[in-house]
Amino acid sequence: AIQMTQSPSSLSASVGDRVTITCRASQGIRNDLGWYQQKPGKAPKVLIYSASNLQAGVPSRFSGSGSGTDFTLTISSLQPEDFATYYCVQDNNYPFTFGPGTKVDFK
Amino acid sequence: EEQLVESGGGLVQPGGSLRLSCADSGFTFSGFWMNWFRQAPGKGLEWVANIKKDGSEQYYADSVKGRFTISRDNAKKSLYLQMNSLRAEDTAVYYCARRYYYGSGRYSFDYWGQGTLVTVSS
Repeated sequence: AIQMTQSPSSLSASVGDRVTITCRASQGIRNDLGWYQQKPGKAPKVLIYSASNLQAGVPSRFSGSGSGTDFTLTISSLQPEDFATYYCVQDNNYPFTFGPGTKVDFK
Repeated sequence: EEQLVESGGGLVQPGGSLRLSCADSGFTFSGFWMNWFRQAPGKGLEWVANIKKDGSEQYYADSVKGRFTISRDNAKKSLYLQMNSLRAEDTAVYYCARRYYYGSGRYSFDYWGQGTLVTVSS
């Protein structure tokens, strides 16, 4: 199975900060990578699909980049509603696998 | 708008069985691959299984292969997960989700249910 790692595992930030989360795959997955946001007690929500495509309705402060094994999610200016846990997931190969998550909380 | 609603969760003893359901209130259920995911308490997300639009192909995580069976009834717009030989480590919130195809090989899991809790304990 493809192993996904994320860094950092958690970060503390303030409203307005630029936040960058990285995700690495144990082998090349082309651009078959999505980013999901999850708030406590809620289902995940798709932010980015195919590494760099913004899901409809998601604010443009979210962006994704990368291909192959290294990927990045960037929040250009953190807003109060962005405090959550973020997961990357590869759907290039079965079994689909998630990164362990990055928790973004208040500094 | 698509809405997915899971049901069937509950408390079950180790070695027992449970069948989860996911009902789609939209009108396009048969046009999509469907997935089950789970999340153990305080842990990350895990993909469990998925099934092709017409039910002819299924794929499973190694952790559930041989114990869980995914199925669907397109006429009833419903997805199922039959879980047998349950273990304590299967305790989790189980989510169903649609896999949406944008074209050009691009996919996402765009609609998710609210989740149903399965607790395996004696």
